Amino acid sequence: AQSVTQLDSQVPVFEEAPVELRCNYSSSVSVYLFWYVQYPNQGLQLLLKYLSGSTLVKGINGFEAEFNKSQTSFHLRKPSVHISDTAEYFCAVTQPGSTLTFGKGTMLLVSP
Amino acid sequence: KAGVTQTPRYLIKTRGQQVTLSCSPISGHRSVSWYQQTPGQGLQFLFEYFSETQRNKGNFPGRFSGRQFSNSRSEMNVSTLELGDSALYLCASSLPALADSTDTQYFGPGTRLTVL
Repeated sequence: AQSVTQLDSQVPVFEEAPVELRCNYSSSVSVYLFWYVQYPNQGLQLLLKYLSGSTLVKGINGFEAEFNKSQTSFHLRKPSVHISDTAEYFCAVTQPGSTLTFGKGTMLLVSP
Repeated sequence: KAGVTQTPRYLIKTRGQQVTLSCSPISGHRSVSWYQQTPGQGLQFLFEYFSETQRNKGNFPGRFSGRQFSNSRSEMNVSTLELGDSALYLCASSLPALADSTDTQYFGPGTRLTVL
């Protein structure tokens, strides 16, 4: 069985500061990993994904994530956040032929 | 290319009623998945359809059902509504090339269901 743990339910940060949202997963087989963002009253938007290849993945809006197989982590980072990045972020894992399993989400709160 | 569309966007029902939600996937996508999102339980998988067949099913009671049509559009139905069914229901579509493969899921805006 696969599972995802997002270690922080909320991350407050000041505008233009760097941020890291943490995600750990557990699975007995090779996995695909995703980060989605959800703005208020909207659906989920794909930020980035890791399927194979380079462990450093770049996504939209200046976000990037690094797949670390030995630590079973897929942390999301951004070097300088904006007020508009305030949203909830979800890490998700899946395997071929399986369904997406989501973490509980991390609320990123960016203040001026 | 148009994204995933869901109708209606908002619904208010009373306990005991039934409801049908609709999802139109991205053109060419053959897989449709449904999720329930609540503040307490987060995002929970309901079921997935691929080429009109249910491929995976989550741990929900039989009151929750779905189907997929030949044009890949999907509907989900909830019968005998309970207060706890109030949630955001999200649909996602993907383009798996084969029935046992996985591809990126793209989400619609959701249907907000309120049960009174």
